[in-house]
Amino acid sequence: GIQVEQSPPDLILQEGANSTLRCNFSDSVNNLQWFHQNPWGQLINLFYIPSGTKQNGRLSATTVATERYSLLYISSSQTTDSGVYFCAVYDSGGGADGLTFGKGTHLIIQP
Amino acid sequence: EAGVVQSPRYKIIEKKQPVAFWCNPISGHNTLYWYRQNLGQGPELLIRYENEEAVDDSQLPKDRFSAERLKGVDSTLKIQPAELGDSAVYLCASSLRSWGGGHEQFFGPGTRLTVL
Repeated sequence: GIQVEQSPPDLILQEGANSTLRCNFSDSVNNLQWFHQNPWGQLINLFYIPSGTKQNGRLSATTVATERYSLLYISSSQTTDSGVYFCAVYDSGGGADGLTFGKGTHLIIQP
Repeated sequence: EAGVVQSPRYKIIEKKQPVAFWCNPISGHNTLYWYRQNLGQGPELLIRYENEEAVDDSQLPKDRFSAERLKGVDSTLKIQPAELGDSAVYLCASSLRSWGGGHEQFFGPGTRLTVL
């Protein structure tokens, strides 16, 4: 099946800093989503971005499908941005019939 | 618009006991998924439904796990009997029809199961 690798695994930043999270995937996809899992375990949809660039406030994401990677940018970090960020893809090659998740990036924003 | 609803939010049981989780998807979403998330890992798919039909249950441990989606709306996931290794968060998600997998999935808050 498709492999999804996220980096870095852990990231500690001061409030106000910017960060870039990366997601590499091993095969072509027709769905890529970024989620934020808050401390209560809720998966919050950030972006649905199989290709191209999207922005939502302080967050933006870019997926380059031909090169099999996606980037999530967080600017002017706030403590509420803390949590685990997951990248998940849907294998267009007929693999598992749901999203395949990476292991996540654990982000801690210190005041 | 209401999101995906799950209950209970937490469940603690002793091993060998049965347990059931309930999910109500977003209104109008034909496709429903059950995922399991172990500590420190990303969610992993257990089963996918298109309306009331289970179209992919290859990852569901069928000796003790069962699921149903009567009338193509609500779904129930059952474990009988539970084992210590079943402790995890069970997540339900829904989307519009999943042809080609191209539709955005939305997740419920999950049920955190602890098996003692």
